Amino acid sequence: GAGVSQTPSNKVTEKGKYVELRCDPISGHTALYWYRQSLGQGPEFLIYFQGTGAADDSGLPNDRFFAVRPEGSVSTLKIQRTERGDSAVYLCASSSQRGGQFFGPGTRLTVL
Amino acid sequence: GENVEQHPSTLSVQEGDSAVIKCTYSDSASNYFPWYKQELGKRPQLIIDIRSNVGEKKDQRIAVTLNKTAKHFSLHITETQPEDSAVYFCAASIGGSQGNLIFGKGTKLSVKP
Repeated sequence: GAGVSQTPSNKVTEKGKYVELRCDPISGHTALYWYRQSLGQGPEFLIYFQGTGAADDSGLPNDRFFAVRPEGSVSTLKIQRTERGDSAVYLCASSSQRGGQFFGPGTRLTVL
Repeated sequence: GENVEQHPSTLSVQEGDSAVIKCTYSDSASNYFPWYKQELGKRPQLIIDIRSNVGEKKDQRIAVTLNKTAKHFSLHITETQPEDSAVYFCAASIGGSQGNLIFGKGTKLSVKP
């Protein structure tokens, strides 16, 4: 079956701009996670959805970051007023009730 | 806050040898421990996981052990092959197997033919 997909694969933007990153989870997976990964580091948790609601958003670094999952499937991560420090690979993962998080290919965000 | 320490940061072995990567975690409530393999420029790939009610799990050449008392868990790869070369990450869950994961910093494994 199809795995987790993310679009775009690459995004280059200027400091101060707004960006949206999209994640399509594996069909039927109820849980969806956003992480970000900087070079040479492990993924860092941002937010986790169970269905449509955010079960844990404690990893969002500040109020410029926001994510939604309105129908319990596709999710969008939104970053306002981007800063150079936001540059990273943003990874999405999904899991079923049985557990085990499966990652998408990521979106590489570069803020100039 | 919760923390996962991973050692070593780099590991070089000869093809056919075994490789062991060790992790410790801080949160005694963690109960799910997956391991991921990440090749350069690719997504992290789940290779094996273990839950806190089990002490050891094996899948072909890969095994994971868990010591809950000491808050240690380890990945063992036997008969290593060049295609095992990658960065390996351990992780510990917060709040069950569907909770968010705290990752270690990774181990770069190089298997020399």
